[in-house]
Amino acid sequence: NAGVTQTPKFQVLKTGQSMTLQCAQDMNHEYMSWYRQDPGMGLRLIHYSVGAGITDQGEVPNGYNVSRSTTEDFPLRLLSAAPSQTSVYFCASSTYGQGSYEQYFGPGTRLTVT
Amino acid sequence: DQQVKQNSPSLSVQEGRISILNCDYTNSMFDYFLWYKKYPAEGPTFLISISSIKDKNEDGRFTVFLNKSAKHLSLHIVPSQPGDSAVYFCAAGSSNTGKLIFGQGTTLQVKP
Repeated sequence: NAGVTQTPKFQVLKTGQSMTLQCAQDMNHEYMSWYRQDPGMGLRLIHYSVGAGITDQGEVPNGYNVSRSTTEDFPLRLLSAAPSQTSVYFCASSTYGQGSYEQYFGPGTRLTVT
Repeated sequence: DQQVKQNSPSLSVQEGRISILNCDYTNSMFDYFLWYKKYPAEGPTFLISISSIKDKNEDGRFTVFLNKSAKHLSLHIVPSQPGDSAVYFCAAGSSNTGKLIFGQGTTLQVKP
């Protein structure tokens, strides 16, 4: 099991560029989510999904899009990058509705927007 | 509106002593709570959890206490070891939505 994988590990974008952060898991987890980590702010939920075809907004969804066409993949799209989106992004997955809420995290993507 | 708060950004303890990390929450719909540990340049890893129907859960050196009336939980590490030095996040969730909300984190330093 690879667990939760994220690509790329590092990315530098110019303001206004778009990109997609990839996330995949091989644990057949229904629930997947994206967080960003900023100094002093902890981990903030961007978007989450409880299954293929179902997504919902978290605490800080503006400027980000997601889709969930398969159980395994949950990409995060930045439509027009802004310096405020400079952060470390983590993807996570877990089972859903089975009484266990432990989320497994990927290694993160460090994004810099100049 | 921060629903989960860790008011102490950092904590320093001596090896062998107890570390107590605290967390407060505001949403009474939260019915499960977790603690995560994070080393630099790695993703957070699960440490211990507690359901709202319990007030204590132990796993080896780690114990989580939940006080629902005060909307407060704490993580006790006894005895603390230098390898415990990391950032600790508490998180709270609702089984209705599956959403997990994290606190700001507390950096624990355990001195040899």
